Amino acid sequence: NAGVMQNPRHLVRRRGQEARLRCSPMKGHSHVYWYRQLPEEGLKFMVYLQKENIIDESGMPKERFSAEFPKEGPSILRIQQVVRGDSAAYFCASSPLKDAGYTFGSGTRLTVV
Amino acid sequence: AQSVTQPDIHITVSEGASLELRCNYSYGATPYLFWYVQSPGQGLQLLLKYFSGDTLVQGIKGFEAEFKRSQSSFNLRKPSVHWSDAAEYFCAVGDSNTGNQFYFGTGTSLTVIP
Repeated sequence: NAGVMQNPRHLVRRRGQEARLRCSPMKGHSHVYWYRQLPEEGLKFMVYLQKENIIDESGMPKERFSAEFPKEGPSILRIQQVVRGDSAAYFCASSPLKDAGYTFGSGTRLTVV
Repeated sequence: AQSVTQPDIHITVSEGASLELRCNYSYGATPYLFWYVQSPGQGLQLLLKYFSGDTLVQGIKGFEAEFKRSQSSFNLRKPSVHWSDAAEYFCAVGDSNTGNQFYFGTGTSLTVIP
């Protein structure tokens, strides 16, 4: 009974590189959410996806950030041309229903050097 | 705007003592309320949730929380803390009116001393 799987656990990128974060939701969960946790802060919503559709991306920065959840395979959060301020823990969560309460993955900790 | 406040950044309790972590929310309707726990380097685990009904909610690991509409609070309690409870605790609020996102507090870090 695998939970929400995120990889990699840790990712180091130089400024200007691309970061790709992957999330496989729990079996049977079709709702995927991405959150970002900055040091000393709570989690901030980024984007909500269902299979092949972005439902709500109101929390996504307007530039450099994108997300997808293809028909086959994991959800991907992509950050282009990373900057130091992108350093954070990025958590993926999944749910079988909207508003049902999430199951979180262990996160990807991105460090931009 | 919706918001969640956890007034206590850090709490220290002795093992075996009782615990109460505070959570206040700002919300126009009846919210969905959640408590999550995060161990160092780990993801968030759902402790309990309130959608409607009985305002005293039982969760995992011996935790409970009480929804008090008049005080806009959803405080987390445990009668006897164990050393393994040391972690970061997050309160969250959401419902259909918030769109698809939940709002999280900034967390309370719990230290348990022998």
